[in-house]
Amino acid sequence: EPEVTQTPSHQVTQMGQEVILRCVPISNHLYFYWYRQILGQKVEFLVSFYNNEISEKSEIFDDQFSVERPDGSNFTLKIRSTKLEDSAMYFCASSADINGLETQYFGPGTRLLVL
Amino acid sequence: RKEVEQDPGPFNVPEGATVAFNCTYSNSASQSFFWYRQDCRKEPKLLMSVYSSGNEDGRFTAQLNRASQYISLLIRDSKLSDSATYLCVVNLNNDMRFGAGTRLTVKP
Repeated sequence: EPEVTQTPSHQVTQMGQEVILRCVPISNHLYFYWYRQILGQKVEFLVSFYNNEISEKSEIFDDQFSVERPDGSNFTLKIRSTKLEDSAMYFCASSADINGLETQYFGPGTRLLVL
Repeated sequence: RKEVEQDPGPFNVPEGATVAFNCTYSNSASQSFFWYRQDCRKEPKLLMSVYSSGNEDGRFTAQLNRASQYISLLIRDSKLSDSATYLCVVNLNNDMRFGAGTRLTVKP
């Protein structure tokens, strides 16, 4: 069964550093997403991406964040100048529009710890 | 009002019990609805989509009432493996909003 993959599984970084989180969506999917989940809290939408551009973003997704699809398979989330409160699990997801419904498949996540 | 609100839980039930989860959403323009389950420290996994006509998948039944902006999930004959957090998810224009989740523990 196809699946979304993410690397690295864990990332530890110093406050102020930049991190890049990587995702490989399911190959025939057209829509890509990033979410974060702070420990013990709910999953929060960050951004959706379609046709090589951002289609929606939340209030969390400010200038500190950027996304890119650098080639035909990878989808990345860059976090510049990381802050302590960026520590969270970051999930990538992808979906194909099936019969007008969006169903998203999540990757296993990258656990980011900012020290 | 929260965008997606769920029963706070936790629900602790014996094996074989029937348990129901409720969810309400605030944006009447929401387009599609889902239940996901999330195991501890794992990614959310799609359990089922939710349709206005109601839908069933084995022991799981989901209902949507658009007029009341209400979604439900019924689990019959619960198994130990059903223990997880159940997330109500509402989608509008590719912006998926999650409820805080309801934790279910099924005990022997």
